[in-house]
Amino acid sequence: EPEVTQTPSHQVTQMGQEVILRCVPISNHLYFYWYRQILGQKVEFLVSFYNNEISEKSEIFDDQFSVERPDGSNFTLKIRSTKLEDSAMYFCASLPRTGTGEAFFGQGTRLTVV
Amino acid sequence: AQSVTQLDSQVPVFEEAPVELRCNYSSSVSVYLFWYVQYPNQGLQLLLKYLSGSTLVESINGFEAEFNKSQTSFHLRKPSVHISDTAEYFCAVTWSSGTYKYIFGTGTRLKVLA
Repeated sequence: EPEVTQTPSHQVTQMGQEVILRCVPISNHLYFYWYRQILGQKVEFLVSFYNNEISEKSEIFDDQFSVERPDGSNFTLKIRSTKLEDSAMYFCASLPRTGTGEAFFGQGTRLTVV
Repeated sequence: AQSVTQLDSQVPVFEEAPVELRCNYSSSVSVYLFWYVQYPNQGLQLLLKYLSGSTLVESINGFEAEFNKSQTSFHLRKPSVHISDTAEYFCAVTWSSGTYKYIFGTGTRLKVLA
């Protein structure tokens, strides 16, 4: 069964460093998302991406964040200068087409900023 | 603004007892509804979904949820819980138009006691 793949599963980075989280969505999907879950809290929407551009972003998704789909298969989330409060689980998700409503989530990347 | 409310942050229940985890949403348009389960330090696992059709949906491991449009609810039930059901449960909603982003509830920690 096709699945969304995220790498790495766990990343530790120093405060102020840039980090790139990678996702490979399911191949025929059209909509792509990043979500964040701070430890012990709920899952929060960060950004949606469709037709090679951001379609919606939350207030969390500030100038420190960017997304890219560089080669038609990967979907990346970059955090330019990490802060301690960026420590969280980051989930990638993809959606096949309009009308189905069901997104497929990756297993997440746990980002620890020290 | 659309939102999802899970009023119970924690629900302790004895093994083999029934349980109900409550979820209410606010929306003025058609919705898709989901329940996810999350075990410690793991990703999100889809438990069940309501996209259309029958308002009662069931999972393979004995959970069920009923979509109630008039009460804007999607409560999760299980007639007899097991120790292995101990986990965090998240209700989520998305809409049949727009960017199909998910809004998650704050989660309910189900603790099954021996």
